[in-house]
Amino acid sequence: AQTVTQSQPEMSVQEAETVTLSCTYDTSESDYYLFWYKQPPSRQMILVIRQEAYKQQNATENRFSVNFQKAAKSFSLKISDSQLGDAAMYFCAYRSAMNAGNMLTFGGGTRLMVKP
Amino acid sequence: DSGVTQTPKHLITATGQRVTLRCSPRSGDLSVYWYQQSLDQGLQFLIHYYNGEERAKGNILERFSAQQFPDLHSELNLSSLELGDSALYFCASSVVAGPNEKLFFGSGTQLSVL
Repeated sequence: AQTVTQSQPEMSVQEAETVTLSCTYDTSESDYYLFWYKQPPSRQMILVIRQEAYKQQNATENRFSVNFQKAAKSFSLKISDSQLGDAAMYFCAYRSAMNAGNMLTFGGGTRLMVKP
Repeated sequence: DSGVTQTPKHLITATGQRVTLRCSPRSGDLSVYWYQQSLDQGLQFLIHYYNGEERAKGNILERFSAQQFPDLHSELNLSSLELGDSALYFCASSVVAGPNEKLFFGSGTQLSVL
């Protein structure tokens, strides 16, 4: 079974600064997808960014980018120019490309605080 | 707004009771997933339905059951409730069931078992 680990329960960043959230995963599969989800106080899970394992290029979405290291099974999220609205729980997630159910396996989450 | 509707938003009940959580997926989405978010277990996959058929089961207790109806809405039934069942229950939908399909999450149903 796949596992996803987020080793930082909490992180703090100054507004306008850059912060990196860590995620590692364990899998024996070669084809899969990785995601970062944001959960603000409203509780809704919002997709931030996703990465296909077969792509070497790191995904980027505006101020959000990832550092995907397939061999190391590492998938970190970098948030540039942090804004107050970025404060939330962030979850790293794995999804098999082969599993019929294609369910998400989530990490334990990292709470990001943004200081004005 | 994701387009996925979950009702009720909050539910308070007693141990031993039975509740039904409802999920209406986005218009046109055939795939519905249920997840449980609790303080001790984190976010866990419960069950997946596609066009009315069960596709996969995760860590779903035997006291829990789900179904997806012909109009594609889904219900999660929780029975013989225990204190440990208190959690936020999410529903998510997607057009099909592929791994690269974007999932749209509802706002969840917060269940409190007293």
